[in-house]
Amino acid sequence: DTAVSQTPKYLVTQMGNDKSIKCEQNLGHDTMYWYKQDSKKFLKIMFSYNNKELIINETVPNRFSPKSPDKAHLNLHINSLELGDSAVYFCASSRRDRVANEQFFGPGTRLTVL
Amino acid sequence: GNSVTQMEGPVTLSEEAFLTINCTYTATGYPSLFWYVQYPGEGLQLLLKATKADDKGSNKGFEATYRKETTSFHLEKGSVQVSDSAVYFCALIPSGGGSNYKLTFGKGTLLTVNP
Repeated sequence: DTAVSQTPKYLVTQMGNDKSIKCEQNLGHDTMYWYKQDSKKFLKIMFSYNNKELIINETVPNRFSPKSPDKAHLNLHINSLELGDSAVYFCASSRRDRVANEQFFGPGTRLTVL
Repeated sequence: GNSVTQMEGPVTLSEEAFLTINCTYTATGYPSLFWYVQYPGEGLQLLLKATKADDKGSNKGFEATYRKETTSFHLEKGSVQVSDSAVYFCALIPSGGGSNYKLTFGKGTLLTVNP
């Protein structure tokens, strides 16, 4: 059984388009995250939701809008895609009752903007 | 702010060699420290963690000790295998709660183990 799943795995699109990436976790966690990994493998958090409430919002262009319909889902919508948005996007989840709880990562979505 | 510095890669070793990947951090108080591993084409997996000074995290033959005096959390393995080839990330979560649950990662170290 997949713990954290993301769709699609690959996404190739043109500049200016709008696209969405979906994430679901079946671990019963209450906190979910979006991370961006650039071409040099550098990972940076973008957003985090706890019980559908936004708790972390890093300096991310407002073309990126996360949405959490429930605790098990966190989607990422990107408007007006730019070349620099090309990256691998990882979803993760954890329990928030302890700081050092493990974050479980999804397999990633490789976004390529042409 | 919080930051993690880990040794630049890539690191190439022969099977059964000793591995050290250095990691140092900057953070106030007592952050929780982690090593995550990313195998080719996959997401990250937690390898080990330590939550207080002098704690030793260990898993799959890998070890790292939380050294407050040197603000370090170096990863070691006595005998690497080809299957250990991956990118290794050192990371921290600051002490305290609130919005401080975000992982701050180092830049990653690519390890290649040759047979």
